[in-house]
Amino acid sequence: DVKVTQSSRYLVKRTGEKVFLECVQDMDHENMFWYRQDPGLGLRLIYFSYDVKMKEKGDIPEGYSVSREKKERFSLILESASTNQTSMYLCASYPGTGFTDTQYFGPGTRLTVL
Amino acid sequence: KNEVEQSPQNLTAQEGEFITINCSYSVGISALHWLQQHPGGGIVSLFMLSSGKKKHGRLIATINIQEKHSSLHITASHPRDSAVYICAVVRNNNDMRFGAGTRLTVKP
Repeated sequence: DVKVTQSSRYLVKRTGEKVFLECVQDMDHENMFWYRQDPGLGLRLIYFSYDVKMKEKGDIPEGYSVSREKKERFSLILESASTNQTSMYLCASYPGTGFTDTQYFGPGTRLTVL
Repeated sequence: KNEVEQSPQNLTAQEGEFITINCSYSVGISALHWLQQHPGGGIVSLFMLSSGKKKHGRLIATINIQEKHSSLHITASHPRDSAVYICAVVRNNNDMRFGAGTRLTVKP
């Protein structure tokens, strides 16, 4: 079974802190994604990566950056956390060249910024 | 207006009832996914459709490309089906758009 893990299930940080969210997948998938999920808005894409050291902005990249130094690991960085970044963060990975393959999601990290 | 609209937003049913969740979209798509999110937060993929109908156990998913509409049906619903069900479309430019989800509660 594909396994996607995230470094924390729950995280509480203070405004202005630098926050690292890590995602690891164990199936050698090329494609990895970071989403945030907010009530009434559904999942929104923050950043994605099709290969090591490659990154592309999604729909809402402002205030975030990413790092993919190894194929299995995709990190999301909040450079200076703000209260409007309180959300559920979900990582996903999938093989192949299009979204017609199954995406595999991590368990999510619920981040609260005080 | 969201490109992917789900209805209803919330649904409460009694155990054993037949359930339908709807998804309408306004863009050209190459595929549509139905996802299930349990209270813990993790999301699992239920179906991927590009035409017709798929069935897995008590779950049935249909899509009508011309009408830009898909339905997820659950037969003989059970409390363990309680979850948020999310529709996601793969747009023709090869990105995904998600609906806001339908929260289903099945009471014993």
